[in-house]
Amino acid sequence: GENVEQHPSTLSVQEGDSAVIKCTYSDSASNYFPWYKQELGKGPQLIIDIRSNVGEKKDQRIAVTLNKTAKHFSLHITETQPEDSAVYFCAASAHGSSNTGKLIFGQGTTLQVKP
Amino acid sequence: ETGVTQTPRHLVMGMTNKKSLKCEQHLGHNAMYWYKQSAKKPLELMFVYNFKEQTENNSVPSRFSPECPNSSHLFLHLHTLQPEDSALYLCASSQDLSSGRSEQYFGPGTRLTVT
Repeated sequence: GENVEQHPSTLSVQEGDSAVIKCTYSDSASNYFPWYKQELGKGPQLIIDIRSNVGEKKDQRIAVTLNKTAKHFSLHITETQPEDSAVYFCAASAHGSSNTGKLIFGQGTTLQVKP
Repeated sequence: ETGVTQTPRHLVMGMTNKKSLKCEQHLGHNAMYWYKQSAKKPLELMFVYNFKEQTENNSVPSRFSPECPNSSHLFLHLHTLQPEDSALYLCASSQDLSSGRSEQYFGPGTRLTVT
């Protein structure tokens, strides 16, 4: 079955710097890759996603890149702010005519942005 | 707020108790999910419902019993739990599984402690 590996497990950056979190997946049939942000005491919040028919997607300070050949995708946060501090999860899902809705999550990255 | 609510937010129960977790979504979705989030582990999918029908049971022990009376409500009935079942239980919803819309939206979770 699908397996998603996420690195690093913790990341500390200075405010204003960029942060990059990387994930690899095992199932070549995966075609949907969301990223979630989870703040303390809250559920995961979808922040950006990408489908396999594009290589990059950007939304203000966050961007996601996808390399289907290498089976990895990354989250990029630029001009980090203290409120970006949270746990970030990547996930992969196979979607198509037999979509099961099954998301396989990475282990999470705790991002700390120091003022 | 994501439009997905969960009650209670916190629950402490003994191993012989019976309790239920409730989830409600106000997004007009037709697919609903239960996930388990334990410390140091990735989110684990437990159950998937699509138009009130269970489509996925991820080898969950029978002491967890889901119920989906309609597309807006999802329950998780708990009985004779073990201490290792202590975790954050997250509910999520999405458009129906054949819609091509894979985005899942999470509730805030129920923090369960089994004593």
